[in-house]
Amino acid sequence: AQKVTQAQTEISVVEKEDVTLDCVYETRDTTYYLFWYKQPPSGELVFLIRRNSFDEQNEISGRYSWNFQKSTSSFNFTITASQVVDSAVYFCALHQGSGAGSYQLTFGKGTKLSVIP
Amino acid sequence: EPEVTQTPSHQVTQMGQEVILRCVPISNHLYFYWYRQILGQKVEFLVSFYNNEISEKSEIFDDQFSVERPDGSNFTLKIRSTKLEDSAMYFCASSDGDRGNFEQYFGPGTRLTVT
Repeated sequence: AQKVTQAQTEISVVEKEDVTLDCVYETRDTTYYLFWYKQPPSGELVFLIRRNSFDEQNEISGRYSWNFQKSTSSFNFTITASQVVDSAVYFCALHQGSGAGSYQLTFGKGTKLSVIP
Repeated sequence: EPEVTQTPSHQVTQMGQEVILRCVPISNHLYFYWYRQILGQKVEFLVSFYNNEISEKSEIFDDQFSVERPDGSNFTLKIRSTKLEDSAMYFCASSDGDRGNFEQYFGPGTRLTVT
């Protein structure tokens, strides 16, 4: 069975601070995909990034960066110089590779980030 | 940029009534999904649909639920006899499923309120 754990329920930071959102996953599969989604107060789910299990290279996209470590089953997300517009709930999600025939996303419970001006 | 659309944005219904939630996936996508999110909780998978049939469903997706792709563009979720606990945000998603490309793009959601 798959499981995604986001231990941080809520985080508050002051604008311009850096913040890291933690994600730990469990899966028995050797091929899998990890995702981060953002859910702003308006409610939609916005895709941020996908990582496959074979690619442990960290990625940076503007103020966002992701640290994938298979050894610790973690896929953490860092926002540098946070802004008020970053305030949202962030979900980490996982699905198995296509060989397992399963495409359903398993979501963590989310971390609510509040950036205070 | 192509996007998934959902109608209505908010549906209020009485317990025991049937509701149909509608989605228009991205046009070249092959895989379609429904998820739900009870207020303040995590997003939960309901069902996936490929090649005109259900490919996977969760325990939540019981006999009260059904999905259909009635034409080349719409994808619907029907709840036959709604219960109070069906109140949630329902998200439709689609993906093209090509090798290595499994991003699921979500619609804006339909908020279902059962009274």
